[in-house]
Amino acid sequence: AQTVTQSQPEMSVQEAETVTLSCTYDTSESDYYLFWYKQPPSRQMILVIRQEAYKQQNATENRFSVNFQKAAKSFSLKISDSQLGDAAMYFCAYRATNTGNQFYFGTGTSLTVIP
Amino acid sequence: NAGVTQTPKFRVLKTGQSMTLLCAQDMNHEYMYWYRQDPGMGLRLIHYSVGEGTTAKGEVPDGYNVSRLKKQNFLLGLESAAPSQTSVYFCASSNSFPSSLPLAYEQYFGPGTRLTVT
Repeated sequence: AQTVTQSQPEMSVQEAETVTLSCTYDTSESDYYLFWYKQPPSRQMILVIRQEAYKQQNATENRFSVNFQKAAKSFSLKISDSQLGDAAMYFCAYRATNTGNQFYFGTGTSLTVIP
Repeated sequence: NAGVTQTPKFRVLKTGQSMTLLCAQDMNHEYMYWYRQDPGMGLRLIHYSVGEGTTAKGEVPDGYNVSRLKKQNFLLGLESAAPSQTSVYFCASSNSFPSSLPLAYEQYFGPGTRLTVT
């Protein structure tokens, strides 16, 4: 089974600064999707950003961007101009295209934003 | 569209009691999933379904049963609740491959059910 690793259980960032959350994954597939989800204290899971593995260009969504390194199997999330509302648990997730029944999640990174 | 809804949002059970969690989605998704979330352990897959009438075991299926009698509904049952089943339960749904919809392969989650077993 594929594994997704988030090596930073907790991170903190000053308001308006930039922070990068790390994610690595293990797979033998060549075609897959990667996602970052945000879970605020309300516990609702919210999609932040997605990346298709066949695309070399890194995905961006406003203040959120990824650094996708396919050969290194790395998928980090960069949050620019951090805001208090960014404080949440962030989960990295993987979905294979060929055997796309299941999603694989990391254990999460808890982000604190310091005013 | 309501997206993915879960009923109930909170529940307290005594050990040995049974209950059913209901998940409904209105996005015509083929796949549906049940996860549990415990502190420090992320999301763990309990059971999933790739279509009406089909179910499959995930990572932690013991003590749970599921049914998918209708495409839009996915039920999670606890026949004899145990304190170890105290958790937050999430339902999710997604499109199958391939999809005619662009950018359509993520999971959509319900709001979660907090279950406490005493």
